[in-house]
Amino acid sequence: AQRVTQPEKLLSVFKGAPVELKCNYSYSGSPELFWYVQYSRQRLQLLLRHISRESIKGFTADLNKGETSFHLKKPFAQEEDSAMYYCALSGQGAQKLVFGQGTRLTINP
Amino acid sequence: EAGVAQSPRYKIIEKRQSVAFWCNPISGHATLYWYQQILGQGPKLLIQFQNNGVVDDSQLPKDRFSAERLKGVDSTLKIQPAKLEDSAVYLCASSSASGGAETQYFGPGTRLLVL
Repeated sequence: AQRVTQPEKLLSVFKGAPVELKCNYSYSGSPELFWYVQYSRQRLQLLLRHISRESIKGFTADLNKGETSFHLKKPFAQEEDSAMYYCALSGQGAQKLVFGQGTRLTINP
Repeated sequence: EAGVAQSPRYKIIEKRQSVAFWCNPISGHATLYWYQQILGQGPKLLIQFQNNGVVDDSQLPKDRFSAERLKGVDSTLKIQPAKLEDSAVYLCASSSASGGAETQYFGPGTRLLVL
């Protein structure tokens, strides 16, 4: 069974500080991992996916198969990063996307 | 390009009543998803369509929920009769191909309150 766990419901950091949003997953095969983000009054949208290995808005995430984690990191937080972040997993083939419970990130000025 | 459209945006009903939600996906997107997002939780897939065929409805409470996607474009999700625990945001999403690995584009959602 696919399962995604985001241990922090709320995370608050100061502007300019590093930020890390934790995501752990459970899946027996080779997963595809994603981070989706929802800014205030906006739609849920894709932030990044592990397979593309790119940095979006300064965020990066590395898939660690040994620790079954896909933590989202940014070295210097900005106020516009305040949002709800969801980690999501898709199994091999045409399998559904399973979301974690989400972490609300607040960047304090 | 126009995004995923949903209506209504808000709906308040009493328990045991019926309600229907409508979704218009991005033009050309073959795959359409309905999610239920209960307060404090992540979205949970209810049903996935590929064109007008059902790919996955394993988490759809079929005794009260139904969905259709006629002509492989628009879709409706119906709840009949509604229960208090159906209070949630119902999200529609679409993607150009099938499977969770494809980038999904979400609509604004319909917020349902069952009293």
